[in-house]
Amino acid sequence: ETGVTQTPRHLVMGMTNKKSLKCEQHLGHNAMYWYKQSAKKPLELMFVYNFKEQTENNSVPSRFSPECPNSSHLFLHLHTLQPEDSALYLCASSQDLSPPDETTDTQYFGPGTRLTVL
Amino acid sequence: GQNIDQPTEMTATEGAIVQINCTYQTSGFNGLFWYQQHAGEAPTFLSYNVLDGLEEKGRFSSFLSRSKGYSYLLLKELQMKDSASYLCAVRGGGFKTIFGAGTRLFVKA
Repeated sequence: ETGVTQTPRHLVMGMTNKKSLKCEQHLGHNAMYWYKQSAKKPLELMFVYNFKEQTENNSVPSRFSPECPNSSHLFLHLHTLQPEDSALYLCASSQDLSPPDETTDTQYFGPGTRLTVL
Repeated sequence: GQNIDQPTEMTATEGAIVQINCTYQTSGFNGLFWYQQHAGEAPTFLSYNVLDGLEEKGRFSSFLSRSKGYSYLLLKELQMKDSASYLCAVRGGGFKTIFGAGTRLFVKA
């Protein structure tokens, strides 16, 4: 149990569908992240939120829209995706972004949502 | 640019020792992480190095040389359950963490 949960675990959607991925962390952290993991590629950072404010948007297409209503919840809204968007989407959290200290910046990952776009 | 290199795959025998290397080029450096990821599961934190030298945690050790842009993860007394991907990640300037593609380790009996 990592303290970070994601739903759904698996999602199949058509290119015209709208769906949302949900992440919840029970660790009292202030920073939350969305990553994309494609086969044999590095984890790609998509978005970072710190204290509910977006601090990083890593040139992600607008068909991905994040939402962070509070420090415990993070959503990724999906709209008109492409087949190449099929991947494992991982959510992570860390205590905060600031000091270079192991205990405060270690990221804890959720189990991921396996997304398939048809 | 920023780059992290690690071998794609390695195979080792149960009970043996294996060393997984990682080289990096980043804008700034504020620490290096190793994560373990079993197939279909989330990455889990293994170790963190910010100063040169060796950090030991049970069967796992991690080494860092900042001047060489180099780290390794050493796994001793390998067990079958150690079969997984091992991700090297570097926190660069601005505290953004970049991940390598991972090394898939196969442990055979």
